Amino acid sequence: DTEVTQTPKHLVMGMTNKKSLKCEQHMGHRAMYWYKQKAKKPPELMFVYSYEKLSINESVPSRFSPECPNSSLLNLHLHALQPEDSALYLCASNWPGNYGYTFGSGTRLTVV
Amino acid sequence: AQSVTQLDSHVSVSEGTPVLLRCNYSSSYSPSLFWYVQHPNKGLQLLLKYTSAATLVKGINGFEAEFKKSETSFHLTKPSAHMSDAAEYFCVVSDQYRDDKIIFGKGTRLHILP
Repeated sequence: DTEVTQTPKHLVMGMTNKKSLKCEQHMGHRAMYWYKQKAKKPPELMFVYSYEKLSINESVPSRFSPECPNSSLLNLHLHALQPEDSALYLCASNWPGNYGYTFGSGTRLTVV
Repeated sequence: AQSVTQLDSHVSVSEGTPVLLRCNYSSSYSPSLFWYVQHPNKGLQLLLKYTSAATLVKGINGFEAEFKKSETSFHLTKPSAHMSDAAEYFCVVSDQYRDDKIIFGKGTRLHILP
């Protein structure tokens, strides 16, 4: 298995909702990442987990809450989002120190 | 601090003609460099990477890139464009201080004309 699987592919949520994005990989990678990508822009790093510990939080608002339950799974919990949080959310994984990331196909999030 | 500059935001070529996407980097050390491709509404796919081995790097789908330290460049080329190459291309450099961060260029949109 050489893929990063993200679910759901599309999500529409209201500003008072709570939802979660899921990311899964079975390549044995020990680093996992969340990126946010707005239209016509490069991805922006949000969080990094290395060996299941949070190693980077790029000053992301607390309405985004990451979780890494095990080495294969990464979640992003969403609560009280704003319309400007609408974006493509990408998950990636790799071996720490090996920069060739494997990206998932993303979750297209729309906040209404 | 490291950075990458993609010199063209849009490039248009005819099908069957060569592709050149330009990338210059800035780094005070010997970096790792990458090209990723993103097709519409898709995730990113690694095309190729340079990590201080051979300076001419071959990637997937017929793409290659040459690391030129004297010119601080890492341009992406393909001899003959195909319609399926139409996509966004990102040049990426490793972060000098952290092995869990990479830095993206702003991207180049490649258009293929029939």
